[in-house]
Amino acid sequence: EPEVTQTPSHQVTQMGQEVILHCVPISNHLYFYWYRQILGQKVEFLVSFYNNEISEKSEIFDDQFSVERPDGSNFTLKIRSTKLEDSAMYFCASRTTGGQDTQYFGPGTRLTVL
Amino acid sequence: AQTVTQSQPEMSVQEAETVTLSCTYDTSESNYYLFWYKQPPSRQMILVIRQEAYKQQNATENRFSVNFQKAAKSFSLKISDSQLGDTAMYFCAFMKHRGNTPLVFGKGTRLSVIA
Repeated sequence: EPEVTQTPSHQVTQMGQEVILHCVPISNHLYFYWYRQILGQKVEFLVSFYNNEISEKSEIFDDQFSVERPDGSNFTLKIRSTKLEDSAMYFCASRTTGGQDTQYFGPGTRLTVL
Repeated sequence: AQTVTQSQPEMSVQEAETVTLSCTYDTSESNYYLFWYKQPPSRQMILVIRQEAYKQQNATENRFSVNFQKAAKSFSLKISDSQLGDTAMYFCAFMKHRGNTPLVFGKGTRLSVIA
């Protein structure tokens, strides 16, 4: 069964450094999302993406964040200058169009900012 | 804005028993989707069940079923014959039925299944 994949599974970085989180959505899916979950808290929406542009973004998704689909398969989330409070689990999700509205999640990347 | 409320932070159930997790939501939309996701200790988000708001029939998936009350904006999850592998965080989520809209999650209910 096709699945969303994410790399790395765990990323440790120093405050102020740039990180790029990688996602490969399910191949026939056209809608892509990033969510984050701070430990012990609920899952929060960051950004949605369709047709090579951002569809919607939350207040969390400020100028330090960006997303890109550099080729036909990858979908990346970049954090330019990480802060301690960016430490969280980051989930990528994707879904197809045409009435199938279930979002399928990747296994997540645990980001630790020291 | 949509909100999702899960009023039970933690619950426990004996193996083989039945448990119901509560979820209420607030929206002005008439058409939308509701989901329950399971998050085991691995922290993977796994879809348990989905419900389309325009369908009156409650969704079922094997041991999992929902009680969807649209007028009351309530969407509870019933787990029958609970198994140890059901131990996880359970998140209720809402999604509008248009375009590329995100999921809105509740805070979750931590379910422990006891042998």
